[in-house]
Amino acid sequence: DTGVSQDPRHKITKRGQNVTFRCDPISEHNRLYWYRQTLGQGPEFLTYFQNEAQLEKSRLLSDRFSAERPKGSFSTLEIQRTEQGDSAMYLCASSLEVGGVKVYGYTFGSGTRLTVV
Amino acid sequence: GQQVMQIPQYQHVQEGEDFTTYCNSSTTLSNIQWYKQRPGGHPVFLIQLVKSGEVKKQKRLTFQFGEAKKNSSLHITATQTTDVGTYVCAQGAQKLVFGQGTRLTINP
Repeated sequence: DTGVSQDPRHKITKRGQNVTFRCDPISEHNRLYWYRQTLGQGPEFLTYFQNEAQLEKSRLLSDRFSAERPKGSFSTLEIQRTEQGDSAMYLCASSLEVGGVKVYGYTFGSGTRLTVV
Repeated sequence: GQQVMQIPQYQHVQEGEDFTTYCNSSTTLSNIQWYKQRPGGHPVFLIQLVKSGEVKKQKRLTFQFGEAKKNSSLHITATQTTDVGTYVCAQGAQKLVFGQGTRLTINP
């Protein structure tokens, strides 16, 4: 297992277009997280999954954002009708939790850098 | 979620000098994690602290969790150019809430 993979690495899109990002977590990890990061800021929580169930979604996430994790494996994050304010690095992370305890920290992917023009 | 405040936001040091970043919360934390993010890179997990007053060391890095579990610090002794990056603390039971990070730059 080579870690958390994200695709694509970079995405440039025109305002109003839809985009979809993919994340493949570490196979043994049962939790998957999506974060967004802008320059000079720490990662900002978007949503997370325990296996295939989406357990929490940030209030910052508008209705234009949707995430799925079918079969509890890879996950997709879709942004509809993109806006310039959506430009950011979208980070995916996975972790292993046993009995409510994080075994280790998060393993992050390299991220997808979205630029909306 | 509980917010964590990090200070300073930026720190520039001469190579060989020490560096410390602080992470503070107004409420008691269940745990604290520290990550390092190289310029243009993604966060990489360094360590997790869970117990009150816990101190852990990784070579030149020393991590502390306050007795009241409301603050934490990361201290680097004798910085090297490879230490350049942003050090970010994070806390949370179900999902992590990250601080803003302290960006460390080093003059060789």
